[in-house]
Amino acid sequence: NAGVTQTPKFRVLKTGQSMTLLCAQDMNHEYMYWYRQDPGMGLRLIHYSVGEGTTAKGEVPDGYNVSRLKKQNFLLGLESAAPSQTSVYFCASSKGAYYGYTFGSGTRLTVV
Amino acid sequence: DAKTTQPNSMESNEEEPVHLPCNHSTISGTDYIHWYRQLPSQGPEYVIHGLTSNVNNRMASLAIAEDRKSSTLILHRATLRDAAVYYCILLNTGANSKLTFGKGITLSVRP
Repeated sequence: NAGVTQTPKFRVLKTGQSMTLLCAQDMNHEYMYWYRQDPGMGLRLIHYSVGEGTTAKGEVPDGYNVSRLKKQNFLLGLESAAPSQTSVYFCASSKGAYYGYTFGSGTRLTVV
Repeated sequence: DAKTTQPNSMESNEEEPVHLPCNHSTISGTDYIHWYRQLPSQGPEYVIHGLTSNVNNRMASLAIAEDRKSSTLILHRATLRDAAVYYCILLNTGANSKLTFGKGITLSVRP
């Protein structure tokens, strides 16, 4: 099993550009999450989904949108990138609180 | 959400046991205790989780106090590869529950 796969692994954007980060999981998990991690800090939750077709805001949702059209995919969009969105983005999936979360290897995004 | 408190850092020697403490005095009856670790330049990795009883797996053991207000992650024989940030997190069984990361504890392992 591949687990959680994030695409792309690295990206450089110019301020104002848009992009979509893809998270794919092959474990049939209901729950999916997008986190960001800034240098020297813990992970902060951006958005999450408790099932196909559902999304909800996390701690730091501003400037991001998400979609969960298929159970296995969770997309994170930046409509107009800003330098403050330079970060490492991690996706995770889970069956729920009774189970552990599986994380992807991250997408390193730089906005110049 | 109930919070956890961990020391900022800890050092250990290679091949010795390591006990990483976590306090969670406001834990509720439906909160699971989860531990994750993050190696340098990698994504977080699930280590172990439990509710009331002590738990063992191939990576570590989790010892949970009888009143559930504290827990200890035990690495039986530390290796250099175990040097990482370890996060102790409470996760409720509610439908909208999600992992909320604190600063964690940075474990250094001396050769």
